[in-house]
Amino acid sequence: QVQLQQWGAGLLKPSETLSLTCAVYGGSFSGYYWSWIRQSPGKGLEWIGEIDYTGSTNYNPSLKSRVTISVDTSNNQFSLKVTSLTAADTAVYYCARGACSGGSCSSADWFAPWGQGTLVTVSS
Amino acid sequence: DIVMTQSPLSLPVTPGEPASISCRSSQSLLHKNGHNYLNWYLQKSGQSPQLLINLGSNRASGVPDRFSGSGSGTDFTLKISRVEAEDIGVYYCMQALQTPLTFGGGTKVEIK
Repeated sequence: QVQLQQWGAGLLKPSETLSLTCAVYGGSFSGYYWSWIRQSPGKGLEWIGEIDYTGSTNYNPSLKSRVTISVDTSNNQFSLKVTSLTAADTAVYYCARGACSGGSCSSADWFAPWGQGTLVTVSS
Repeated sequence: DIVMTQSPLSLPVTPGEPASISCRSSQSLLHKNGHNYLNWYLQKSGQSPQLLINLGSNRASGVPDRFSGSGSGTDFTLKISRVEAEDIGVYYCMQALQTPLTFGGGTKVEIK
């Protein structure tokens, strides 16, 4: 059974860079889109972006200028960086495995499972 | 971006009774391949969201058959045939037809 375990700093200051990593245990790394999603009281669930095992990425245009998602296939891990943080980036950040319904797909069709979530607070 | 709108915001339910949640999208989620790219998730208190339904009507592995998804195009429904106490939480719909992938605002299901 696939499990995702994530970690990273939880308290950051404005203008700093958020860095989170998610490790995948118990399943194949190829054939999926590895995704980041955040949840804040003000904006609900927001898809940040995704990466496949080849390194191909898709980003939410609303965050694209500040976001980088990378993959480390040798360790079955993927990571998220968000630069120039503001209070509006305060949220619980989740990693998730994105699956496709079959054939070729350009992005995830659904997310399962999800990581445990990391609360990131941006405050001076 | 495709906007997802759920109703109601809050749904008080009685155990053993049916329940229904609506989700509407600003654009059709029906792909030319015949699939509707609409998913349903449940987030229980203090937990991460979990997949219930994908492609509009397919129950995910391990999901009880009291959960069913229906609809096509822009109007979708999640039904619980007989609510159990463990079903309380916030339900979200999500579209996966095009990026950016977007979620509904959630429906909080609570016991009366």
